[in-house]
Amino acid sequence: DTAVSQTPKYLVTQMGNDKSIKCEQNLGHDTMYWYKQDSKKFLKIMFSYNNKELIINETVPNRFSPKSPDKAHLNLHINSLELGDSAVYFCASSLRQGEQFFGPGTRLTVL
Amino acid sequence: GQSLEQPSEVTAVEGAIVQINCTYQTSGFYGLSWYQQHDGGAPTFLSYNALDGLEETGRFSSFLSRSDSYGYLLLQELQMKDSASYFCAVRAYNFNKFYFGSGTKLNVKP
Repeated sequence: DTAVSQTPKYLVTQMGNDKSIKCEQNLGHDTMYWYKQDSKKFLKIMFSYNNKELIINETVPNRFSPKSPDKAHLNLHINSLELGDSAVYFCASSLRQGEQFFGPGTRLTVL
Repeated sequence: GQSLEQPSEVTAVEGAIVQINCTYQTSGFYGLSWYQQHDGGAPTFLSYNALDGLEETGRFSSFLSRSDSYGYLLLQELQMKDSASYFCAVRAYNFNKFYFGSGTKLNVKP
C-alpha cells in the first residue's frame, strides 16, 4: 500500500500555463506539506497544513495555491507557470516530530 | 533565521565507516532528523534525535549536541546501496517549520 502518493509523476508544460499536482496520504497523519527541490537538491518547505488548515505559508509567489479538501489530501495549483518553477515537488505528511513521509515527487518541467 | 551546514560530498569504500556532519544555527528546535535520498527518489526518514546523545538504528547512528550546535550521522559497514544524498533537518519551534540542510552526497566505492 502506498503511504503518500502524488500525481502526476512527470509534468511537462509551457510557460504561462496553469497546472495542478495532487497528493494523498493513507497514514492518518494530521499534517501535510509541500516542498520544492531545485536542481541543486536543496529542499525548501512551501506550505504546511494541519487538519485542513494552513499553518505555514513560506515566501512563495502567490501563483502557488495549496488546497486541502480533507485531512488526507493536499493539492498544489500553480498559475502562470514560469521557467524558474521547474523543479521536483514533494508532498509529505507527518504525525510525530522529526519523521516525515514523502511522496515519490512530481518532476515539473516548464518550457 | 535557520541554517544547517553539511559537507557537499563524501567518498568512502565498501565496509568502511563514514561520518556526515551537520552544524546548525537556529533559534530553537525540537530535534534533529536525518533523511536519505537516492537519485531520482524521495527522501526517506532515517533517524531523529530529540535529546543530546547517540541514537542507534542498525548500521546507522545519529548524534546530537545542542551545546555545540552540531550533529552527525554515522554509517557503518558501508554498502554500495548506501550511495545517496543525506540531509539533516530540524523542526523549528515556530509553528511547524522544517528546515533541511544542503545535503551530503555519499559515494561508496568498491
